[in-house]
Amino acid sequence: QVQLQESGPGLVKPSETLSLTCTVSGDSITSYFWSWIRQPPGKGLEWIAYIYYSGSTNYNPSLKSRVAISVDTSKNQFSLRLSSVTAADTAVYYCARVLGSRVVPAATFDYWGQGTLVTVSS
Amino acid sequence: DIQMTQSPSSLSASVGDRVTITCQASQDITNYLNWYQQKPGKAPKLLIYDASNLETGVPSRFSGSGSGTDFTFTISSLQPEDIATYYCQQYDNLALTFGGGTKVEIK
Repeated sequence: QVQLQESGPGLVKPSETLSLTCTVSGDSITSYFWSWIRQPPGKGLEWIAYIYYSGSTNYNPSLKSRVAISVDTSKNQFSLRLSSVTAADTAVYYCARVLGSRVVPAATFDYWGQGTLVTVSS
Repeated sequence: DIQMTQSPSSLSASVGDRVTITCQASQDITNYLNWYQQKPGKAPKLLIYDASNLETGVPSRFSGSGSGTDFTFTISSLQPEDIATYYCQQYDNLALTFGGGTKVEIK
């Protein structure tokens, strides 16, 4: 059974960098694309980025200038960095496995972590 | 980006009722659409992929249809455990986007 677990600080100061790691178990990180999605409190879902083990990435255009996603195959983990955070970045951050499709390499989120709340506040 | 518009944003129905949610894309996305269920405090769960294919293990009272720009998600007979927020998500292009969600409550 595939399991994903997010980890990282629950509180980040404004203007600083948010850093999260997702640890994958029950599957090799070299087999699929892997993604970050976030959900502000009481609001909807927003896709942030995805990565393949080879390092191929894709970012949400609205966040691209502040986001970096990376992968560590030796630890079966992938990570997110979001710079210059503001209160608007307060959200539950989910990591997820992504299946491909005929038209795009990453299409469907089939396994999700439980999510971790990150609050941006001084 | 492709914008996904869901309606209604919330609904209240009785147990056993047929519930229908719509999702409209800002451009033709063929059938490149998924539906997810999110219960309070939990991660979303994939229910339907490719607009109409039921994910393994998902009850058959859930169904999806549509193509192009207009899509429908249906619960044929609402059950108490179906209380959740439902999201559509398109994958027609590299920038994946979700609808705003539909919160389903029991009347």
